[in-house]
Amino acid sequence: SQQGEEDPQALSIQEGENATMNCSYKTSINNLQWYRQNSGRGLVHLILIRSNEREKHSGRLRVTLDTSKKSSSLLITASRAADTASYFCATDAGGNTPLVFGKGTRLSVIA
Amino acid sequence: DTAVSQTPKYLVTQMGNDKSIKCEQNLGHDTMYWYKQDSKKFLKIMFSYNNKELIINETVPNRFSPKSPDKAHLNLHINSLELGDSAVYFCASSPSGQGSGYTFGSGTRLTVV
Repeated sequence: SQQGEEDPQALSIQEGENATMNCSYKTSINNLQWYRQNSGRGLVHLILIRSNEREKHSGRLRVTLDTSKKSSSLLITASRAADTASYFCATDAGGNTPLVFGKGTRLSVIA
Repeated sequence: DTAVSQTPKYLVTQMGNDKSIKCEQNLGHDTMYWYKQDSKKFLKIMFSYNNKELIINETVPNRFSPKSPDKAHLNLHINSLELGDSAVYFCASSPSGQGSGYTFGSGTRLTVV
């Protein structure tokens, strides 16, 4: 069954603003990953955070993980029109289990 | 060089036909996957192969048969196509071991008419 649930489903902001997307999941994980999907394209891996980590940064991206609440957030700072895409969280439960993806958040950044 | 390449990019076919989608990765990864993305953008795992061996086979009709001739290739063959098979199919790969991101292909949009 589906593991991750992103919130909100859609988000529209002005260029330069920050965008925050949230993800909740149901079972124990080894790590949680965020991916971006531009329209008509494949998914691109953005960042991975392990279950023993609480926060991770990569450029304008900041990811937090709260395993007690089974939730994660992705913050994109100083958004650009090029950040317009769908963003997915995916959970890795370890072993041979493949990533399980949420439904995604569709982000629109208006110039 | 494309890391994970799928062909064809678009596939339009009639109900009842048999079709194949090919996937190749040049990253030296041990594990390859097929995901199906429906019209609501939900991604669902179909199959997972590690070093040519089937690891995961989710609840997928047996009309879908993956084939991995070597660890760099994972092809998907679909028999007796149905309208509900219309979706975007993504191939992906990852290195062995825990905690690795996946590299996805650009997808194959299958339309069954």
